[in-house]
Amino acid sequence: LAKTTQPISMDSYEGQEVNITCSHNNIATNDYITWYQQFPSQGPRFIIQGYKTKVTNEVASLFIPADRKSSTLSLPRVSLSDTAVYYCLVGDGSSYKLIFGSGTRLLVRP
Amino acid sequence: EPEVTQTPSHQVTQMGQEVILRCVPISNHLYFYWYRQILGQKVEFLVSFYNNEISEKSEIFDDQFSVERPDGSNFTLKIRSTKLEDSAMYFCASSDESPTNEKLFFGSGTQLSVL
Repeated sequence: LAKTTQPISMDSYEGQEVNITCSHNNIATNDYITWYQQFPSQGPRFIIQGYKTKVTNEVASLFIPADRKSSTLSLPRVSLSDTAVYYCLVGDGSSYKLIFGSGTRLLVRP
Repeated sequence: EPEVTQTPSHQVTQMGQEVILRCVPISNHLYFYWYRQILGQKVEFLVSFYNNEISEKSEIFDDQFSVERPDGSNFTLKIRSTKLEDSAMYFCASSDESPTNEKLFFGSGTQLSVL
C-alpha cells in the first residue's frame, strides 16, 4: 500500500476555495486515489476518487498530475460545515482493508 | 440515500463483560467491515467480511473479537471480555463492489465505554 503524506491541519475562511494536497510518491500503476471526509463523532464519508487528470463531482474536485505522485482535493467556496478531517487513501483494491492516515484537519472560520 | 445503521449509539459496560455491537449494512452490499477509532486517534481497520467469512483482519482483531452475519441483514461485532483499552468508537461499513472500488459507506458508529 502506498504511503500518503498530508498536512496535519489547515485553516480557511468561509467562501474561500481550499486545496488539500496529498503526496504519494510510491503510488503503483494500479492504485486509485480516494478521499474521505470525517466529521466529529461520525464515520468517514467517501468524497471522491480518481486515477488520473481531473475528477469533479457535486462536492469537490480532484486534481492528479501526470506523474500521479500527488493529488489535490479542491473544495470550492467552503462553509463552516466543511470543518472536518480529510483523508487521502491510495490503493489498488487488492486488499480488503482501507488504511487511514492521520488526515488533514480543516478548520473553516467565519 | 441508503445508509448503514448501527445500534446502540452508546454502550457502557464493565471490564470483562461481553458486548455485541450491531450493524445493518446497506441492503444490496456484499462486503462488510468493522473499524474503530480511539478518541483523538486514527481510524483503525479491524476486520473485513465477505461471503460469510473473514477476508482480512488486523492485529487488533484477536481472539476476543468475532464477527457474524446471523441473518440476511445484520452484521455484528462481539467482544467477549472487554478491556479498558477497547473503549473507542466502532464503525461498521459496507460496500457493493469489490475492494477495487474502495468506496465504503460508514455508519455513525457505536461509542463503547469500558469502565
